[in-house]
Amino acid sequence: QSVLTQPPSVSAAPGQKVTISCSGSNSNIGNNYVAWYQQLPGTAPKLLIYDNNKRPSGIPDRFSGSKSGTSATLGITGLQTGDEADYYCGAWDGSLGDVLFGGGTKLTVL
Amino acid sequence: QVQLVQSGAEVKRPGASVKVSCKASGYTFTSYDINWVRQAAGQGLEWMGWMDPNNGDGGSAPKFQGRVTVTRDTSTSTAYMELNNVRSEDTAVYFCARGKQDYDTLTGSYRYTFDLWGQGTKVTVSS
Repeated sequence: QSVLTQPPSVSAAPGQKVTISCSGSNSNIGNNYVAWYQQLPGTAPKLLIYDNNKRPSGIPDRFSGSKSGTSATLGITGLQTGDEADYYCGAWDGSLGDVLFGGGTKLTVL
Repeated sequence: QVQLVQSGAEVKRPGASVKVSCKASGYTFTSYDINWVRQAAGQGLEWMGWMDPNNGDGGSAPKFQGRVTVTRDTSTSTAYMELNNVRSEDTAVYFCARGKQDYDTLTGSYRYTFDLWGQGTKVTVSS
């Protein structure tokens, strides 16, 4: 059971929008930056969002991040079949002295 | 190009040690931290620890303290992660990841961001 809670799965049709939530506490998300990672099947994770809402160069603006209190959200618009992947949130936890990841959310583009 | 290339798959007996390497290229090795993250089959990501290649300083997650050692060879731009006394539960894919981790004094927030990942090394522990 991960300290950062994500829904196990989400799905939407091509071209639609989806959001993935990541719920934590003051010791992690509430007081530290959140990052989001995309892991395509059989590959290494890839950084999508850092510092809650910033995109690295090369990441399309279809991907967005936000944070409010102890929760963070990843948004993906204009869904494509190539977006089918597992998505993970991550943040430092000051109480545990550990980098935490959410349990991951599997996105299916129907 | 900018990349991290890891060593090949390993099979170990319980109680043994395993050492995984991670060779950096295309950027200044000593300018970014190196982290280690593992993933058991069908499971999520688990952070193990980190190292500053510039001075060798680092730390490990509480779960791995005393069992994981992260070192580096700056002459070859290579980081190493050694896990001791392995058991079946350590069977996983191990990733190295280039990291940006610091404390933002303006916001009072810690930042741990992994912006470049190795391809992963499968470690199997079996008797």
